[in-house]
Amino acid sequence: QVQLVESGGGVVQPGGSLRLSCAATDFSSSTYALHWVRQAPGKGLEWVAVISHDGNKKYYADSVKGRFTISRDNSKNTMYLQMSSLRGEDTAVYYCAVVLRFLEWLPLDYWGQGTLVTVSS
Amino acid sequence: SYVLTQPPSLSVAPGQTARITCGGNNIGTKSVHWCQQKPGQAPVLVVYDDSDRPSGVPERFSGSHSGNTATLTISSVEAGDEADYYCHVWVTSGDPYVVFGGGTKLTVL
Repeated sequence: QVQLVESGGGVVQPGGSLRLSCAATDFSSSTYALHWVRQAPGKGLEWVAVISHDGNKKYYADSVKGRFTISRDNSKNTMYLQMSSLRGEDTAVYYCAVVLRFLEWLPLDYWGQGTLVTVSS
Repeated sequence: SYVLTQPPSLSVAPGQTARITCGGNNIGTKSVHWCQQKPGQAPVLVVYDDSDRPSGVPERFSGSHSGNTATLTISSVEAGDEADYYCHVWVTSGDPYVVFGGGTKLTVL
């Protein structure tokens, strides 16, 4: 059973940093692309970033480019999102999602339950 | 940048058919995927590659697209289908990225 578990969310001040983790359990994620998608309170889904199965390709939404960094450690079956220069508009539930097709970028076959990031002073 | 347009809301009676549209320039040339999100829950994939269903998704859910519009059709709507539905695609112009539609809230009357 594919399971993704996010962690690392919390309250951070504007301008601060936070690192999210997404651990894949009960399956090996090393052959699949992984995404981060966020959802601000009461709003729709917004794509954040994606990383290829081997970590060599990374793509970002314009809204986070230069501030967020996606990475993965396949030996730990875990993906990360390093967030810096955080702003109020980054407040959201952050979901990770996996694409269970080798060398494909979509669809988002399974999603984690999300972790809440609140940027507030 | 590429934009996907969905109606904000749709209301249907139980047993009727719900058709949720997703408009985008030449969307017929892209693979369209749909996810369902119930209140307080994570999204779940219900249709991928325009019209395929993941294992476990009822046959009542189907997808199609033509021209500038993709459609998610839910036949014989049930109360449990009440949720937000999002279309999304992979855009390959310039640096690739994912675009989500704004979402459609389906209300079962």
